[in-house]
Amino acid sequence: EVQLVESGGGLVKPGGSLRLSCAASGFTFSIYGMNWVRQAPGKGLEWVSLISSSSSQIYYADSVRGRFTIFRDNAKNALFLQMNSLRAEDTAVYYCARGARSITPHNWIDPWGQGTLVTVSS
Amino acid sequence: QSVLTQPPSVSGAPGQRVTISCTGSSSDIGAGYDVHWYQQLPGTAPKLLIYGNNNRPSGVPDRFSGSKSGTSASLAITGLQAEDEANYYCQSYDTSLTGWVFGGGTKLTVL
Repeated sequence: EVQLVESGGGLVKPGGSLRLSCAASGFTFSIYGMNWVRQAPGKGLEWVSLISSSSSQIYYADSVRGRFTIFRDNAKNALFLQMNSLRAEDTAVYYCARGARSITPHNWIDPWGQGTLVTVSS
Repeated sequence: QSVLTQPPSVSGAPGQRVTISCTGSSSDIGAGYDVHWYQQLPGTAPKLLIYGNNNRPSGVPDRFSGSKSGTSASLAITGLQAEDEANYYCQSYDTSLTGWVFGGGTKLTVL
């Protein structure tokens, strides 16, 4: 069974930093692209970032580019999101979610982890 | 404001058919990019419902179907059941943003 378990969420002050982790199991992690998708409280879904299986291709939403960094450790089946210069509008549940083996515009996202809540507030 | 436009809410009685629209533009759906649909039950993570415009993952009932035409796509649910009450999101790719985009979501209420 595919499992994605996020951790690292919490309360952080504006301007602060946080690193999210996602532990993957039940599939060959090293051959899949991986995403972060977020959902602000009571709001819809927002794609945040995508990294290819080999880390050779990395994409970010405009809202986080330059502040967030996605990276992965295939030896440890782990995905990360380093979040710097956090703002109140970054408050959301952050989901780790599997992408496709090859990155194309037609990619879908499946499955999703249960999410970890990040709250940016003073 | 989402790139893909969905109605905020739809409703239907048990057994009825409902459709949820997802309207894009020439830089996303109209550019030929696939549309995918997700179901998010209250308090849970999203789940893939339809991929590649009209394909159902294993385990998804055939009451759910997807279609795409021009700059829009639709999700149809027939034989509505109480357990279908959830938020539904469409997703595609936007070439002008160079990224993947979601619709704003539609809350389905089963009357």
